[in-house]
Amino acid sequence: KAGVTQTPRYLIKTRGQQVTLSCSPISGHRSVSWYQQTPGQGLQFLFEYFSETQRNKGNFPGRFSGRQFSNSRSEMNVSTLELGDSALYLCASRRGTGENIQYFGAGTRLSVL
Amino acid sequence: DAKTTQPPSMDCAEGRAANLPCNHSTISGNEYVYWYRQIHSQGPQYIIHGLKNNETNEMASLIITEDRKSSTLILPHATLRDTAVYYCIVRPYNAGNNRKLIWGLGTSLAVNP
Repeated sequence: KAGVTQTPRYLIKTRGQQVTLSCSPISGHRSVSWYQQTPGQGLQFLFEYFSETQRNKGNFPGRFSGRQFSNSRSEMNVSTLELGDSALYLCASRRGTGENIQYFGAGTRLSVL
Repeated sequence: DAKTTQPPSMDCAEGRAANLPCNHSTISGNEYVYWYRQIHSQGPQYIIHGLKNNETNEMASLIITEDRKSSTLILPHATLRDTAVYYCIVRPYNAGNNRKLIWGLGTSLAVNP
């Protein structure tokens, strides 16, 4: 079956703009988590959604937001982009919040100029 | 969740076993050890997990010391496609909060021809 799909794969934006990234989880998976990955920082947890509700949130400013739709697809939005937001944004899905194995998409590479 | 320590990089000859160590000296009794790997330009991929017994699947073997303070991921016959960053993380089984996961920087394994 299809894996986790993230679109777009690459994005170039300028400071001050906003961006929306999309994630389609594996069929049947209802939990979607978002991570930011930068060199030297590892994976940093942004937030997790389950059944259209945000269940957990990491330590990121309010410019980072997300949502989940009834079909479990999720989007994350970053407003007022800063240079430091340049990163690989990864989405991971799992069946539910009690399932510990996560399945990751290939990520969206965001470059902020 | 407990923090893990991994060497930043390792080399391995193609066809040989790759042994990747991980220290988790503060692991709690209910925490499992999980291994993921991230091949360049892809998202992390689940490999294996275990509690205290050694585990083996089609990808790798996991050896956990008796005191559970360290573990070793073994790729029995490394190939060039195993070149990746390997992450060792610990978390309680069925404790669903991804926010508490500490991913670290992992071990960058280079398999050489």
